[in-house]
Amino acid sequence: GAVVSQHPSWVICKSGTSVKIECRSLDFQATTMFWYRQFPKQSLMLMATSNEGSKATYEQGVEKDKFLINHASLTLSTLTVTSAHPEDSSFYICSATPQGWDSPLHFGNGTRLTVT
Amino acid sequence: SQQGEEDPQALSIQEGENATMNCSYKTSINNLQWYRQNSGRGLVHLILIRSNEREKHSGRLRVTLDTSKKSSSLLITASQAADTASYFCATDNYGQNFVFGPGTRLSVLP
Repeated sequence: GAVVSQHPSWVICKSGTSVKIECRSLDFQATTMFWYRQFPKQSLMLMATSNEGSKATYEQGVEKDKFLINHASLTLSTLTVTSAHPEDSSFYICSATPQGWDSPLHFGNGTRLTVT
Repeated sequence: SQQGEEDPQALSIQEGENATMNCSYKTSINNLQWYRQNSGRGLVHLILIRSNEREKHSGRLRVTLDTSKKSSSLLITASQAADTASYFCATDNYGQNFVFGPGTRLSVLP
């Protein structure tokens, strides 16, 4: 149980275009989902906390207009990278937990974004 | 600011040997969790240890927590080639957020 599906697993786009990444909890409801960014051989950097039905909470230094997060239902959060540039190329991972805090996170398999 | 810091950053061992990774953190925590990440994939939860616990086991994994030293260790016994991955500790700061350390890259050589 507690499966998180992330789609797409990889995407290549041109500079200036926007890319949407979906994160779904398949067998549980998630009022909160987390979006991370990971550079090669580095740790996960929390970008934002996605809250169902309300605005996302962004970490310091993360541009909310650049990385749009929508959490319209209890099973779906989306991250849209707007006007992508090569420096946005990275590995993006989402996670959620069915039991709130004090319980393990379940991760999607990540999305490799390459902006050309 | 970085909460968990793993040590070592990289570790190479032979199959069958034990692997020990350490994690240090800075502030009070509710629990500490260890995750594994295979290359290019998401993270998989291994063990959660709460602040009032000192040791936990799961199969070949043993985790200890020393809140007085703000440190934790992950021991993998009788390592296998399939254990090759990056291992991260993450601290749960009472629901504020999860903070991940930089990770330890483990290579188990056949």
